[in-house]
Amino acid sequence: DQQVKQNSPSLSVQEGRISILNCDYTNSMFDYFLWYKKYPAEGPTFLISISSIKDKNEDGRFTVFLNKSAKHLSLHIVPSQPGDSAVYFCAAKRGGGSQGNLIFGKGTKLSVKP
Amino acid sequence: DGGITQSPKYLFRKEGQNVTLSCEQNLNHDAMYWYRQDPGQGLRLIYYSQIVNDFQKGDIAEGYSVSREKKESFPLTVTSAQKNPTAFYLCASSRGQVHNEQFFGPGTRLTVL
Repeated sequence: DQQVKQNSPSLSVQEGRISILNCDYTNSMFDYFLWYKKYPAEGPTFLISISSIKDKNEDGRFTVFLNKSAKHLSLHIVPSQPGDSAVYFCAAKRGGGSQGNLIFGKGTKLSVKP
Repeated sequence: DGGITQSPKYLFRKEGQNVTLSCEQNLNHDAMYWYRQDPGQGLRLIYYSQIVNDFQKGDIAEGYSVSREKKESFPLTVTSAQKNPTAFYLCASSRGQVHNEQFFGPGTRLTVL
């Protein structure tokens, strides 16, 4: 039973346009959400996060939006650049202790075309 | 430079052999984790450790074993009991389990022939 879902396996966007990556979750107890970026044969790198007490967090070209009532979050990248081409993983966390481990989605492969 | 190292990058083993994957961090992080990634899949948690000399099973611990004798090191052994060991293995660490961001190593691609 997938608690974190990324329903689009891939997304293709033109350079300079906006990329929107979506993530849905089922567990209302999740209180922290993270996005990671991963290149092939490398480890994921942390991109941006958001606490459940917020609905938006911005860092440069990256903005994450959280809609708790819909159990949905999205990552906006604007403007998109070819170097953004990678797999993006959404992850969620619930509190601390053994419940504090990250639950990852399956990822969305973003391709930004020049 | 602080970071997490995993070695080797690529590893080949014959079926039936145990193999140990290395993970070292110099970030002074308390918590460490092992994940595996399969094509088209997210990261699945194998084992995690919140503190030295303590570790817990994750979602897919069967066929794996770990140790945490030092804060800096969290080696993973893939035993012959693991039915599908060929995968990309990722080690991560965080300041503590209540701290949210995990930092990942570069990964080890294990291929069992």
